[in-house]
Amino acid sequence: LAKTTQPISMDSYEGQEVNITCSHNNIATNDYITWYQQFPSQGPRFIIQGYKTKVTNEVASLFIPADRKSSTLSLPRVSLSDTAVYYCLVGGPYNQGGKLIFGQGTELSVKP
Amino acid sequence: EPEVTQTPSHQVTQMGQEVILRCVPISNHLYFYWYRQILGQKVEFLVSFYNNEISEKSEIFDDQFSVERPDGSNFTLKIRSTKLEDSAMYFCASSEEPAGVEQYFGPGTRLTVT
Repeated sequence: LAKTTQPISMDSYEGQEVNITCSHNNIATNDYITWYQQFPSQGPRFIIQGYKTKVTNEVASLFIPADRKSSTLSLPRVSLSDTAVYYCLVGGPYNQGGKLIFGQGTELSVKP
Repeated sequence: EPEVTQTPSHQVTQMGQEVILRCVPISNHLYFYWYRQILGQKVEFLVSFYNNEISEKSEIFDDQFSVERPDGSNFTLKIRSTKLEDSAMYFCASSEEPAGVEQYFGPGTRLTVT
């Protein structure tokens, strides 16, 4: 499975756009990029998934360049409630019995 | 919105005892998972389960652990002879797609072994 690297922590202020970048240099052809969010003492929550170019849903956007060696999760106009840990995961959609491999994630702190 | 539920929310047990953690996956999901998260550490995959069989398991999931789908709604994780290092949050998850990356996690059970 491809290894991912993302910043350990980020700070932001309410109303700002936050971009979290994840590096995955060894991504395989059939790998997808998935982002999860985790609040303290809660289970992770699926945010968004993409393969290439740009994906947008009601929560976030995911930008993936042509070489797919990195990806950027974009959170528009964050609020205090977006304070959480964000995980970038890379793997095939149906690989290894559904095993999700979580890294340390990026701890996002949104301040007023 | 349908959600995964887990009981109990907190379980305290003595070292050497057996515990059963319970989960009710989303009703139309057929693929189930257990993960654990030791305090301050990353989420770790334990096992995936489909059609009454284990699909994949990690090195952590040794003979001390077992999973079962005892009826049409529950999915359980049994931990035998608990050790201090088993203290963690245990998350159940389910997915609609086979081995899908879009998994729905429950709120977790905090297991404390004393």
